[in-house]
Formats: sequence, C-alpha cells, structure tokens
Amino acid sequence: GAGVSQSPSNKVTEKGKDVELRCDPISGHTALYWYRQSLGQGLEFLIYFQGNSAPDKSGLPSDRFSAERTGGSVSTLTIQRTQQEDSAVYLCASSFDRHTGELFFGEGSRLTVL
Amino acid sequence: EDQVTQSPEALRLQEGESSSLNCSYTVSGLRGLFWYRQDPGKGPEFLFTLYSAGEEKEKERLKATLTKKESFLHITAPKPEDSATYLCAVSNYGGATNKLIFGTGTLLAVQP
Repeated sequence: GAGVSQSPSNKVTEKGKDVELRCDPISGHTALYWYRQSLGQGLEFLIYFQGNSAPDKSGLPSDRFSAERTGGSVSTLTIQRTQQEDSAVYLCASSFDRHTGELFFGEGSRLTVL
Repeated sequence: EDQVTQSPEALRLQEGESSSLNCSYTVSGLRGLFWYRQDPGKGPEFLFTLYSAGEEKEKERLKATLTKKESFLHITAPKPEDSATYLCAVSNYGGATNKLIFGTGTLLAVQP
C-alpha cells in the first residue's frame, strides 16, 4: 500500500515480556518517527530517525525502550520487560524530509500489558 | 520548556453552528505550527502548516490562523463528518531534529 504500515495492530502481553512493534514507512521518506498516545494524553515523542544520521532518542522513557531502522526503511520499536504503564497506542510516522511538519501516520499498534 | 495547550477539551456543535478551536503555544523559536485531525482508531491526518504570525490557511470548512502566541482553527458551518479530534503541534528551531510537540487535542462532535 501507499501509506505507513504498522504491525501488529493489537498486542496483548504479560508484564515482564518483551514486545516488538514494526513500522514500514512510505517509500522515499527519509524521516521516521515513533510517538506514543496514552488514553487522555497527547502524542508523546519517542524517537526520530533521519537518513543515516544518528537518531534522536531523547523521548525514550527508559532504557527498556529501543528502536532501530534498517536500511533506511523499516523500523522496529522494542520494549523489554514490559510494565503496565507501557500500555498505549504506539504510532509511527514518516515524512519526506526533516524540514516538513507534514507527517504521515500509520494506524498504530495498540499495546496492552496485563 | 516548549508547550502546547488546546482548548476546549471537548466541543459539541449543531450542524451549521460555526465555532473556533484554540491552540496556545510556548516555544523557544517557532519553526512551524501544525494542525492534524484524528478519527477514532486512526493515526492523525495532516491538515495545515503555519509558519509566521498573520498567516492563514483554508481547506473546505476549516481555516487556520496564527498569532505570536496562539493559533485558531475556525470551523464554518460544520457537518457531522467534521467530528474528530483536532490536534495542534509545534516544532522549534532550537532542536537539531524536527520532532513535533503535540497538544492533547480538542474532541469535536457535530450533531445533525
């Protein structure tokens, strides 16, 4: 498809388990973002990738969170030893370059930690 | 610290009843202000970018305006399909990257 694709769309896991969330951005988009949206909260910035530059990890809430982007395309967000407070919708977005605020978002991965 | 505050949190309108949503911001150096629309269970969808005070953008029944401290999203004669959460975001020149700082949104319900 032409849009940003995220998987899984829903993930239920037990506290303490590791989870991986995948994002496939729009072809040709060099910038990729991960945001988190909790119930009643605004979108919280997590991490930003731009081309081959070092990622901006300033929004990652703890060292249990990590992300990588392979070949300048697909990205994986990994949460280790999940906690109940990690429950949220994780949104991925891409944009043509770092100068535009026109982000194209996927539909998100809803994570529920029991 | 850069901050975005949106009001009201929720707004209920009758079809055809025009109104405005507010976005107040504090940012060290405004690179741009952005409006997005989010439908339930979907990711946000880009609407507008505003760069400088006095700038206006229009799209169908929506018009966005910008001052040095706030932005308004004016909705003229809304229809039920305009019901959604409207998000405001800013980016600043201070950071090395283009991360957007979002407000918590205004939930708009338009009743027929």
